[in-house]
Amino acid sequence: GAVVSQHPSRVICKSGTSVKIECRSLDFQATTMFWYRQFPKQSLMLMATSNEGSKATYEQGVEKDKFLINHASLTLSTLTVTSAHPEDSSFYICSALAYSYNEQFFGPGTRLTVL
Amino acid sequence: EDQVTQSPEALRLQEGESSSLNCSYTVSGLRGLFWYRQDPGKGPEFLFTLYSAGEEKEKERLKATLTKKESFLHITAPKPEDSATYLCAVWSNAGNMLTFGGGTRLMVKP
Repeated sequence: GAVVSQHPSRVICKSGTSVKIECRSLDFQATTMFWYRQFPKQSLMLMATSNEGSKATYEQGVEKDKFLINHASLTLSTLTVTSAHPEDSSFYICSALAYSYNEQFFGPGTRLTVL
Repeated sequence: EDQVTQSPEALRLQEGESSSLNCSYTVSGLRGLFWYRQDPGKGPEFLFTLYSAGEEKEKERLKATLTKKESFLHITAPKPEDSATYLCAVWSNAGNMLTFGGGTRLMVKP
């Protein structure tokens, strides 16, 4: 199957700083990538859909000015959490849509802790 | 609006005690139903995709089945290493997004 990577795997930052998380499809091109957020013992909640070369589509309740998404190439999408606060602490997971496989492949996740 | 409900929320089994996890769904045109396994602190790991009612897929001790309203993940003679959260998600014809159920936390005791 296809491989999706995320970087960093863990990040700890101070309140008010911005954090960038990268999501890469390593062996396939992904025109569409997705960003999810997962709180402890809860399922994945879709934050936004990222399409290469166009603006991301955000789910209801997700602040687009706080969670900046850039999908600059067919293998890379980035999520920037701006002016992070402790309530932004969560597990962020990306996935990439591979049409050739007709499925989504998930990255390993990024644990964000905001102090 | 697509909806996915998984039951039970948590399941404790003894090693070797077979059981089934349920995923009930409503979707505007099913493109695919996915089962994933997720270990703590990791991203979901793909298990199965089912596309049409009546379809079944197997992998080691796991077997997934699909009807027009629900999917079952059958676990035969589970081992402690099968302990994880199992997630079900549907992909509708309406778009590219997956809608996830709440997951079932499976704990298999030796």
